[in-house]
Amino acid sequence: AQSVTQLDSQVPVFEEAPVELRCNYSSSVSVYLFWYVQYPNQGLQLLLKYLSGSTLVKGINGFEAEFNKSQTSFHLRKPSVHISDTAEYFCAVSAGEGADGLTFGKGTHLIIQP
Amino acid sequence: NAGVMQNPRHLVRRRGQEARLRCSPMKGHSHVYWYRQLPEEGLKFMVYLQKENIIDESGMPKERFSAEFPKEGPSILRIQQVVRGDSAAYFCASSPSNQPQHFGDGTRLSIL
Repeated sequence: AQSVTQLDSQVPVFEEAPVELRCNYSSSVSVYLFWYVQYPNQGLQLLLKYLSGSTLVKGINGFEAEFNKSQTSFHLRKPSVHISDTAEYFCAVSAGEGADGLTFGKGTHLIIQP
Repeated sequence: NAGVMQNPRHLVRRRGQEARLRCSPMKGHSHVYWYRQLPEEGLKFMVYLQKENIIDESGMPKERFSAEFPKEGPSILRIQQVVRGDSAAYFCASSPSNQPQHFGDGTRLSIL
């Protein structure tokens, strides 16, 4: 079984500042890792995924994440945030490349302050 | 290329009634997943289906909940004799074989 921990329920950041959203996971098998973003009253949109290969993964909207196997982490980063990045961000793991059900963290609400 | 379509977007039911939530996967996607999101919580996996088969229902409550994905038509999540605790947002996702899941906009179920 897998589990995901997002330590920060809310992260306030000033516009154009950098941000890091933390995600740690636990699993007894190799996992595949995902970050999704959810805007109000909408479904989840895939930001990026780690399946294999390079541990630094680039996604949409200027986001990137780094897979660290020794620390079992997959933190999400953006060098300069915009007001439009205000949303809920979810980290998720799967034992398969998406063929299995995803296990989600509780989410981090990113609040961009002008 | 249309995304994952869920309907209705909002559904109101009284306690004891039945709720039917529909999901049409993206074209070419044969895998369907249902998740439930409670307030202030992440999404919880409920069930994974392929055409006419339930692959994994480890997240489904043992009673009142059922899901199907028939050969023709959308996938249906059915909740019988709804209770207040069933109020939540229900999301459907689809994927082709071994690819990330794409999510619909959800059905918000309210129980009066």
